[in-house]
Amino acid sequence: GNSVTQMEGPVTLSEEAFLTINCTYTATGYPSLFWYVQYPGEGLQLLLKATKADDKGSNKGFEATYRKETTSFHLEKGSVQVSDSAVYFCALSEASNYQLIWGAGTKLIIKP
Amino acid sequence: SQTIHQWPATLVQPVGSPLSLECTVEGTSNPNLYWYRQAAGRGLQLLFYSVGIGQISSEVPQNLSASRPQDRQFILSSKKLLLSDSGFYLCAWSVGTGGGEKLFFGSGTQLSVL
Repeated sequence: GNSVTQMEGPVTLSEEAFLTINCTYTATGYPSLFWYVQYPGEGLQLLLKATKADDKGSNKGFEATYRKETTSFHLEKGSVQVSDSAVYFCALSEASNYQLIWGAGTKLIIKP
Repeated sequence: SQTIHQWPATLVQPVGSPLSLECTVEGTSNPNLYWYRQAAGRGLQLLFYSVGIGQISSEVPQNLSASRPQDRQFILSSKKLLLSDSGFYLCAWSVGTGGGEKLFFGSGTQLSVL
């Protein structure tokens, strides 16, 4: 079945450091891929998405590229800020399906 | 604009007690509604979804039930809580066939069963 695997956290970085959060997936078809973010005390919100191979999703300085050959969708940011501290979830969705398949989430802590 | 309200934010309940979590959506009609649970260290698990009033689909067998008495109201219930029901519960809504880009989440309820 479909699944999503994320790197375990917490990930602790200093401000302005480079960020990578790894995400790999298994899927039988051609899923859409997503990164969601959950800031402290808030609900989940969509950060970025990619719907086909080689697509790059980007938002708020974050980027992730849909790599079919490596079945990956790693989240990157060149220079993190304290305000980026949150839990990040990778997820996939098959077309026209109610169910998202979620990774376990990676807690990111940015120290000033 | 659309908003989703979920309450309470935190809840501590003894084993064997009942549960009722409520979620309401404003600013949209006939949304798809979802209940997710996030256990510690694990990903989100879809518990229930609803495409209309009185229509509930369950994704996993469990100690919980859901109801949709009104178009924009979704309730998660249990008659007798178990320790394993502890977790973070999220309500969400979408319009259309679903898919991550159209899912909007509430702020969640942290449930501790003691």
